[in-house]
Order: sequence, then C-alpha cells, then structure tokens
Amino acid sequence: DTGVSQDPRHKITKRGQNVTFRCDPISEHNRLYWYRQTLGQGPEFLTYFQNEAQLEKSRLLSNRFSAERPKGSFSTLEIQRTEQGDSAMYLCASSSDRGSRDGYTFGSGTRLTVV
Amino acid sequence: EDKVVQSPLSLVVHEGDTVTLNCSYEVTNFRSLLWYKQEKKAPTFLFMLTSSGIEKKSGRLSSILDKKELFSILNITATQTGDSAVYLCAVGASGNTPLVFGKGTRLSVIA
Repeated sequence: DTGVSQDPRHKITKRGQNVTFRCDPISEHNRLYWYRQTLGQGPEFLTYFQNEAQLEKSRLLSNRFSAERPKGSFSTLEIQRTEQGDSAMYLCASSSDRGSRDGYTFGSGTRLTVV
Repeated sequence: EDKVVQSPLSLVVHEGDTVTLNCSYEVTNFRSLLWYKQEKKAPTFLFMLTSSGIEKKSGRLSSILDKKELFSILNITATQTGDSAVYLCAVGASGNTPLVFGKGTRLSVIA
C-alpha cells in the first residue's frame, strides 16, 4: 500500500456537467476525509467518513455535492451541475481512529477546472 | 467556530537564512496542532504537537506549542531552495472532529 490515491489527477469540464472523483485511502485507515482547496487558501473541510458511515458534512457542501463510501474502502465525491466556483483542488485524506501520531495522510488531489 | 490564523502569508528569504512561521488558533477542546508542507500537490506531514513547551525537531525544522497563548511556531534554519513551499498549520479538537487548516504561509527561498 503506497498511500492515498486519487483519480483523476486533473478534470476539465463544462459548466453544468456532472463529475465524479475517486479516492482510495490507506487500507488500514478507517477514516476518510474530503477537503477542497482554492488558490491562496488552506484546505477547507467538506465531509468525512468513519468506515462506511458519513459522520459530518460541512455547510460548504451544497446539495449538488454527494459523497459515498459504500464498503468502507474507497470513496467517491460527485458534483452535479458544476459551476465555475467549483473549480478547485479536491483533496482526500485518510487516518486511523487509533490516534495516529502522523495526523492525516493526503492524496495528491484532483484539480477540477470548470469552463 | 474554530479558527487558525497563520502569519506571514508569504515570505521571501535567501538561502541560509532562518525563518519563523507563526500559527495562532482558537478551538474548543483542543487536542493537537499539526504542521504540513505543501509543494505542488499533497500536503505532507511535518509535526504533531499536543503538549506545551516541548520542542519537536527534524533536521533543520523545529516546532513548539504554547497552549496558554494559543500559538505555535515553526522554525527553519539554514534554509535551502528545497524548503520553498506552502506551510500549513492545522488544529484538531477532541472527539476526532476534522482538522481545521489555516491559509498557509508561502515560503520562497532564493539562491
């Protein structure tokens, strides 16, 4: 297991289209987080899962956004009817609930550009 | 609402200089403060601090936490061009609520 993987690395889409991103966490990590990062800002929390349960959603997560983690392993983040303001880097991270000494492990992100 | 403020937002130094990056926070039920380095893509973990006054060190980087004054500093000595990155500070609260990040400090080290 080489870390957190995200796919695709880049996505360009037209406004109004739907997009879906995938995240594969470190296999022994039961917590999975989605963050969004725009230029000049730190990562902003979107949502997180413990196993397959979605435990918290940010108010940033409009009803056009949905996330799933069906079997407690990989997760998907879907954005429906994309808007230009959705352009950002979408970061996935995972951690263990056994008090990891290393915080979260991040993936390389999916950069979304809405044109 | 939990808040993390980093300063300065950007910094340009020459190789060999020493820099200090600041992070102040307001969080209910503080549990830990973390520093990450972000180059082009994924933030990579540097330090996790939970106790006041205990310095964590890794090579030329060190960090310390002051839980009374609610801040942390990250020091980099003898900077190199490879230290150029955005340095992110994040805080975690008890109950394993998700980390809250600051905006980061963009450090540029020029030869």
